[in-house]
Amino acid sequence: DGGITQSPKYLFRKEGQNVTLSCEQNLNHDAMYWYRQDPGQGLRLIYYSQIVNDFQKGDIAEGYSVSREKKESFPLTVTSAQKNPTAFYLCASSVGTSLRGYTFGSGTRLTVV
Amino acid sequence: AQSVTQLDSQVPVFEEAPVELRCNYSSSVSVYLFWYVQYPNQGLQLLLKYLSGSTLVKGINGFEAEFNKSQTSFHLRKPSVHISDTAEYFCAVSGVKDSGAGSYQLTFGKGTKLSVIP
Repeated sequence: DGGITQSPKYLFRKEGQNVTLSCEQNLNHDAMYWYRQDPGQGLRLIYYSQIVNDFQKGDIAEGYSVSREKKESFPLTVTSAQKNPTAFYLCASSVGTSLRGYTFGSGTRLTVV
Repeated sequence: AQSVTQLDSQVPVFEEAPVELRCNYSSSVSVYLFWYVQYPNQGLQLLLKYLSGSTLVKGINGFEAEFNKSQTSFHLRKPSVHISDTAEYFCAVSGVKDSGAGSYQLTFGKGTKLSVIP
């Protein structure tokens, strides 16, 4: 079955270390997105990509980086510059525009100690 | 620009009672509207969406929503809730381009936690 796979589900890292979250989709979707979710704050857009080798900053891109070298993959790196990285991270994809809504992965919970 | 306001952060309701989760939006253009559900430690799942046509939209798990353009609202309703409906619900809006297609981005509300009490 087609879908989005995020890995790992839980991730623990020491403060000051960079960490990369994986997001892979086999839906043949053009657009992919990364959101951060904190309690009571809803979903906040970090980065999005409409096509391969192109991506745009969202509302809270500082301290994060992404790449889109393949249509299927959109990894997110949380750098040491991100002041408060502990959160639940969600990856999503869409066919093109949001007309059909997004398909979401099951998320990665990152805890920085 | 567009925004979404979910008026209640938490809604407790007894099992088999009706529920309404409120959503208001603001946008300078036509919109597409969505409701998503999120169970603990999981991603979001699409419940229903309004693109055009009938203002009453039916979704999965017995939920429905009504688009009210004059009140800029898209409230979610279920006539009788079940314990399994306990989850967080997100309303989302997308602007409509001149071509009729949606934009690439959805704007989400902050969510409403529905707690069904046995």
